[in-house]
Amino acid sequence: GQQVQQSPASLVLQEGENAELQCNFSSTATRLQWFYQHPGGRLVSLFYNPSGTKHTGRLTSTTVTNERRSSLHISSSQTTDSGTYFCASLQGTGSKLSFGKGAKLTVSP
Amino acid sequence: EAGVTQSPRYAVLQEGQAVSFWCDPISGHDTLYWYQQPRDQGPQLLVYFRDEAVIDNSQLPSDRFSAVRPKGTNSTLKIQSAKQGDTATYLCASSFYEQYFGPGTRLTVL
Repeated sequence: GQQVQQSPASLVLQEGENAELQCNFSSTATRLQWFYQHPGGRLVSLFYNPSGTKHTGRLTSTTVTNERRSSLHISSSQTTDSGTYFCASLQGTGSKLSFGKGAKLTVSP
Repeated sequence: EAGVTQSPRYAVLQEGQAVSFWCDPISGHDTLYWYQQPRDQGPQLLVYFRDEAVIDNSQLPSDRFSAVRPKGTNSTLKIQSAKQGDTATYLCASSFYEQYFGPGTRLTVL
C-alpha cells in the first residue's frame, strides 16, 4: 500500500522563523493534501496539491510528483501556527488517502 | 455551507460496552470516510462509502465494528464490545474531490 513519510517529526521555532516540512510518498500520487490539526481540533485541509506550487498567505506547498515528494513552507511563523501538520497521498483512481505520522510544530513567542 | 458534523463529541465507556457514532457529511459529497486516530498518530482509514455502497472496509475490525450509510447521506459507525485499545478519536470525512473532516468523537475506553 501507499507509504507516506514525513520529516521532521517535530520542530521548535521562535516566532518569525521559517519552517520547512517534508513529505515523501512511495508511489506516484494522484492526490496530495496537506492538513493542519490544532491539539484537540479537527483536521483542516491546507492544500490540495497533486503537482506544482501553491500559495496561500504565509504557506507554500510544492509537490514534485515524479520525485514522489512534497514540501510545506511556513514563512514568518506565528505562535498560532503551532500544531500538527499531516501529509496524505492517494494513488490511482481510488479515494483512499494514506496519512503520514505528522509533524508537530511548536512556535514560541 | 455547513461542514461535516459528528456526534457525540466525547464518549467514555467501560470495556465491553457498545457505542455508536453518527456523521452528517457535506451536502452533495458522494464519498464518506471513517478514520481512527490514536493519540499522537495520523488518521487510519477504517471504511469508506461511495453513496450507500461500501468501497473498502478491509481495515475495519469486523468482529466488533460495523458501519452503514443506508441512504447514501448520513452514516453510523458502531463498536459492539469496546476494548481499551479502541481509545482514539474517530473522524468522519466526506469528499466529492477534496476531503473535508468533521470535528471527531473522542472515545475513552476504561
